[in-house]
Amino acid sequence: NAGVTQTPKFQVLKTGQSMTLQCAQDMNHEYMSWYRQDPGMGLRLIHYSVGAGITDQGEVPNGYNVSRSTTEDFPLRLLSAAPSQTSVYFCASRDPRETQYFGPGTRLLVL
Amino acid sequence: DAKTTQPTSMDCAEGRAANLPCNHSTISGNEYVYWYRQIHSQGPQYIIHGLKNNETNEMASLIITEDRKSSTLILPHATLRDTAVYYCIVSLSGGYQKVTFGTGTKLQVIP
Repeated sequence: NAGVTQTPKFQVLKTGQSMTLQCAQDMNHEYMSWYRQDPGMGLRLIHYSVGAGITDQGEVPNGYNVSRSTTEDFPLRLLSAAPSQTSVYFCASRDPRETQYFGPGTRLLVL
Repeated sequence: DAKTTQPTSMDCAEGRAANLPCNHSTISGNEYVYWYRQIHSQGPQYIIHGLKNNETNEMASLIITEDRKSSTLILPHATLRDTAVYYCIVSLSGGYQKVTFGTGTKLQVIP
């Protein structure tokens, strides 16, 4: 199993540009989530999904959209990038015992 | 989710046991205690979890007090590779609650 994969690893955007961060898992987990981590800080939950077609907001959802059309994929969309969205983004999936598996992260710089 | 409190940082000599405390005084009866760690800028990694009884696996031991208001993660023989941020979180098992991470404890293993 590849586990949780994320693409791209690095991305530089200009203010106002949009992009999609990809996340996929091959463990058939229903629960997936997106976190952001700013320098020196813990992880903050952006959005999460409890299954295909079901998503909900986390702590810091503003400026981000998600959708869950399949169990495997959970993309995160930045609608109009802002410098405040410069961060490292982690995607995670969770097994029925509540153990989370994290991807390697996407490092995003918004100029 | 119940909130947790952890020290910001700790040092431990290489080869000695590292004992990382966590307070979760508002934990409910069916919430589990989970521990993760994050090395450098990698995605967090699951370590161990428990409900009431003490737990041990190949990575660590988890000691939960009888009143369940606090717990301690024990790394029996810390190595330099154990230098990381350690997160303690509480969560129901088998449900679909959103899980959030705090700022954790930065453990520095000293040669």
